[in-house]
Amino acid sequence: AQSVAQPEDQVNVAEGNPLTVKCTYSVSGNPYLFWYVQYPNRGLQFLLKYITGDNLVKGSYGFEAEFNKSQTSFHLKKPSALVSDSALYFCAVREGAAGNKLTFGGGTRVLVKP
Amino acid sequence: GAGVSQTPSNKVTEKGKYVELRCDPISGHTALYWYRQSLGQGPEFLIYFQGTGAADDSGLPNDRFFAVRPEGSVSTLKIQRTERGDSAVYLCASSQAGKTFKQFFGPGTRLTVL
Repeated sequence: AQSVAQPEDQVNVAEGNPLTVKCTYSVSGNPYLFWYVQYPNRGLQFLLKYITGDNLVKGSYGFEAEFNKSQTSFHLKKPSALVSDSALYFCAVREGAAGNKLTFGGGTRVLVKP
Repeated sequence: GAGVSQTPSNKVTEKGKYVELRCDPISGHTALYWYRQSLGQGPEFLIYFQGTGAADDSGLPNDRFFAVRPEGSVSTLKIQRTERGDSAVYLCASSQAGKTFKQFFGPGTRLTVL
C-alpha cells in the first residue's frame, strides 16, 4: 500500500523568507510524486510532479521540489514566499506508470505573514 | 477552456436519503476519478473510470456508494441511505489518455448529512 506523510499541520513564514513544506512517502514501485495547492472554496490545483529524471523539479508560481530516493522525501520549496502563497498544500504519490489513483497526505497549511 | 465542473456545489440532505453528485470532466478526457475529502484531511480515492468502465473501485467505502459513467463523459456518484459520516467534500478529477499522471480537479460538492 502506498502512503504519504506531511509531518507539519501548519507552517508559518514571513514574506520574503524561504518556504519549505515537508513530505515523505512510501510506495512499493517507482514513485510518481505530486504537489497540489488548495485555496479556500476552490479545487485542487496542480503545482508540480516528479516522474523521472532530475531530482529537482520546477513547477508553477516559483515552487520547486526535490526528490530524495534514499530519504523517500519530496519536500516543496520556494526561495521567497509571498502572502498570496498562503493556502493548503497537499503532497500525493502514485505507484508508477501502472497506478492511477493518487494517495494524498493530510495537508499542510501555509501562512505567510506580511 | 472549461475545467472540471461539479454540481451541485452544496448539498444538504437528511440521514437515510439518497443523493446524486454530478461531474462534468474536461472535454476529451477519458479518465475520471472521484475522491472524498473529509474536514481537515487530504482527499481519499474512491473510484477511477477509464472510458465507461470502472477500472478501479477499491476506494468505495461500502455498497451504499455507486458511480456510473454511461457515455464515457459525465459521471454521477450515487449514495444510498446517507449517514452523517458521509458528510464531506466530494471531488472529481479528469485526465487525458496517456497522461493520467496529471489530474485536473473540480471545485467539489460539499455534502452535509443532517
